[in-house]
Amino acid sequence: QKEVEQDPGPLSVPEGAIVSLNCTYSNSAFQYFMWYRQYSRKGPELLMYTYSSGNKEDGRFTAQVDKSSKYISLFIRDSQPSDSATYLCAMTPGRGAGSYQLTFGKGTKLSVIP
Amino acid sequence: NAGVTQTPKFQVLKTGQSMTLQCAQDMNHEYMSWYRQDPGMGLRLIHYSVGAGITDQGEVPNGYNVSRSTTEDFPLRLLSAAPSQTSVYFCASSYSRAARGIQETQYFGPGTRLLVL
Repeated sequence: QKEVEQDPGPLSVPEGAIVSLNCTYSNSAFQYFMWYRQYSRKGPELLMYTYSSGNKEDGRFTAQVDKSSKYISLFIRDSQPSDSATYLCAMTPGRGAGSYQLTFGKGTKLSVIP
Repeated sequence: NAGVTQTPKFQVLKTGQSMTLQCAQDMNHEYMSWYRQDPGMGLRLIHYSVGAGITDQGEVPNGYNVSRSTTEDFPLRLLSAAPSQTSVYFCASSYSRAARGIQETQYFGPGTRLLVL
């Protein structure tokens, strides 16, 4: 079992839809959880990060972490064509062994259709 | 600030050739790292550095060397290129220190596309 599992999609939704992206993980040491957005032929850019369990909201984006289920989610409200990209989840222990290494999911490719 | 810059943008090598991928950042970040991204494999860590003079191996270090003589630069060397090293390479940096890990501010460069024939 890979440490981080993410459905690669592709996921296609109409403009204005609510998008749900998620990852599962197996390493209980992970404490910091991130979502990156990567446009085609570009480098990943940090979208959101969350420490431990809970929710974090930033505009149309909401990140959720459920450590008891080892499950993280990213919700995009009122999706726009400009949200079309690949979304990567990433996580790290943050302290101790492995704290300098991010473990990434394989990414979910999202297309928002006008 | 230019952020994280990478050169070249694209490179074609023949098997057995060597080359250096350049990475520089102007944000005074202590942490820098190299990833490769392959279809269906996601981003995998090759090497990383927590400061000048300090480097360590990531998940897939074989065939690559790194050094960190300055805070700004973190070159990645391919010693003898192989077709399996055909990939997109990303450099990233962060200012976070050991106590807080790298979770908050990892900035990625635009990438170098490498084709090994």
